[in-house]
Parts: sequence; structure tokens; C-alpha cells
Amino acid sequence: AQKVTQAQTEISVVEKEDVTLDCVYETRDTTYYLFWYKQPPSGELVFLIRRNSFDEQNEISGRYSWNFQKSTSSFNFTITASQVVDSAVYFCALSANTNAGKSTFGDGTTLTVKP
Amino acid sequence: GAVVSQHPSRVICKSGTSVKIECRSLDFQATTMFWYRQFPKKSLMLMATSNEGSKATYEQGVEKDKFLINHASLTLSTLTVTSAHPEDSSFYICSARTESGYYGYTFGSGTRLTVV
Repeated sequence: AQKVTQAQTEISVVEKEDVTLDCVYETRDTTYYLFWYKQPPSGELVFLIRRNSFDEQNEISGRYSWNFQKSTSSFNFTITASQVVDSAVYFCALSANTNAGKSTFGDGTTLTVKP
Repeated sequence: GAVVSQHPSRVICKSGTSVKIECRSLDFQATTMFWYRQFPKKSLMLMATSNEGSKATYEQGVEKDKFLINHASLTLSTLTVTSAHPEDSSFYICSARTESGYYGYTFGSGTRLTVV
């Protein structure tokens, strides 16, 4: 069985602060995919990143960066110099390779960035 | 590419009526689509896997007769909430994959269903 744990239910920061959202996963599959999504108040899911289990290279995209560590089964997401527009619910998700598209989601972390 | 359109975005219906939600892949063929449900301030819960030309596979605890899924073409899957009740009010969202690639990250924009 797969499981994704986002231990931080809510985080509140002041604009320009850096913030890290934690994600820990469990799976028996040797090949799998990890995702981060952003869900703004409007409700749609915005894809942020996909990482496969063989690629542990960290990635940076603008103010966003991701740290994937297989040894600790973690896939953490950092926003640098946060902005008010970053306020949203962020979901970490896991998909087995054999069920591409069928994802197990964490409970989400609500990020509030205050001006 | 890999755009999924979901319609309607919001719907309000009376208790006892049925509501149909459409999920379309606009620029690719989706052999498999997934339907999720999200309760307020909760995570997304997979309801069922919709396969083109065959019966949907429902997750444990999801009522097949309540949530009818039809995937009659490679670009369209529909979710019909039958005899809706207020407890069916929720946010429903679909996602799709293609035969040749991995598009697990392609989600529709969701449908907010309110049953009054």
C-alpha cells in the first residue's frame, strides 16, 4: 500500500521568508513517481513538479526547489522569498509506475503568506 | 499539450436529482481517466478508474450505483451522481493519462457540486 504524509497541516509565514513543506512517502514499488501540486482558493490543481524514483537530483525552478532523498523517503518542497500569491494548499502525491495517473495524495499543507 | 477540460465548474442541484460531470481530453486520447473527490479542507480521494470501452474500477467504499462512470470514447469520461443528496456535495476532479506517455499530472479544473 502507498502512503503520503504531510505532517504540516498549516504554515503561516511573512512575505519574503523562506518556507519548506515536508513530504514523506511509503511504497513497496521500486519505480514510482512523486508530485507536488498547488491548489489555490479557486480549486484547480496546478502541477508543479514530477520526479521519478531513479532521479534523485534536486531541482530548482525560480523560487521553488525540491529535495528528493530516497534514503529517508522524503520529497520536500521549498519556496524561497515567499509571496502572498504563494498562499494555497500544497499537495504531495505518489504514483506507482504501473498505475500511471492513479495517485495517492497527502492531506495537504495550507500555506498562508502574510504581507 | 495534455489539456483536460472539466465541465461544469460549478453546479447546484436539488436533492433527488442526478448530475452529470464531463471530463474531456482536448489534445490527446485518454484511455484511462481517474475520478477524485475532495471534501472541504481534505485530501483528494480516488473514487474510480475509468477505462475506455469497459467498466470502471471503483475504489473500496465507493457506491457504483450512486456514482456512474461512462468512458465511451477516447476523449470523454462522464461521472453521473445519481439521486444526489446533500452529503454528495463535494469537489470532484478528474485526471487523465495517454497510451504513449505519462500524463498523471494532468488534472481537470474540478467541479464544485452543491446539493440543496
